[in-house]
Amino acid sequence: QSALTQPRSVSGSPGQSVTISCTGTSSDVGGYNYVSWYQQHPGKAPKLMIYDVSKRPSGVPDRFSGSKSGNTASLTISGLQAEDEADYYCCSYAGSYTPVFGGGTKLTVL
Amino acid sequence: QVQLVQSGAEVKKPGASVKVSCKASGYTFTSYGISWVRQAPGQGLEWMGWISAYNGNTNYAQKLQGRVTMTTDTSTSTAYMELRSLRSDDTAVYYCARDVSSSWGAFDIWGQGTMVTVSS
Repeated sequence: QSALTQPRSVSGSPGQSVTISCTGTSSDVGGYNYVSWYQQHPGKAPKLMIYDVSKRPSGVPDRFSGSKSGNTASLTISGLQAEDEADYYCCSYAGSYTPVFGGGTKLTVL
Repeated sequence: QVQLVQSGAEVKKPGASVKVSCKASGYTFTSYGISWVRQAPGQGLEWMGWISAYNGNTNYAQKLQGRVTMTTDTSTSTAYMELRSLRSDDTAVYYCARDVSSSWGAFDIWGQGTMVTVSS
């Protein structure tokens, strides 16, 4: 399976909203409602932010939301804060008990 | 609290093998699967495979088939990942992660990571 396609970088000012896209195919993103998103700060392990397209684990602020349309999933962060600056990865189930990650997006808070 | 604690950093020569451990605590080990994910320096995340802590069933990424083996020891709530015939491009941080039950490709608890360096 090929990696999902994410923009290499996005940026926004504090208080603004940003959206990170994750494009796959009908064999992964478009075929299943099993898209998850991870936040990773430098030198740290990834943290689950969204799963099953739009579900938030306990403790994740509601500023983080997920959606999907066709073969593209999106993570939206509203009310940007300095601590949101990190790398973000999407992940989708791709059938045959196999998940595939996106290449990652660096979010810069200006 | 729920956590996964991994073994320490390793330095290996090309052609050698490495075995990384991942000890779970704070939850019923056999109720969740464990996946292994690696990240080469400056690169993205790569899913390596999965093991059911309940019955030991496994599924490995196609590119690692034949070189990777994942096992568990339920008596100590520990998962293991062994990678053989190491090459320089296996240099990476290796993470274990707990699967979110009733989902696929979602990992809610991560270990701290184990740096594996392959160098002659």
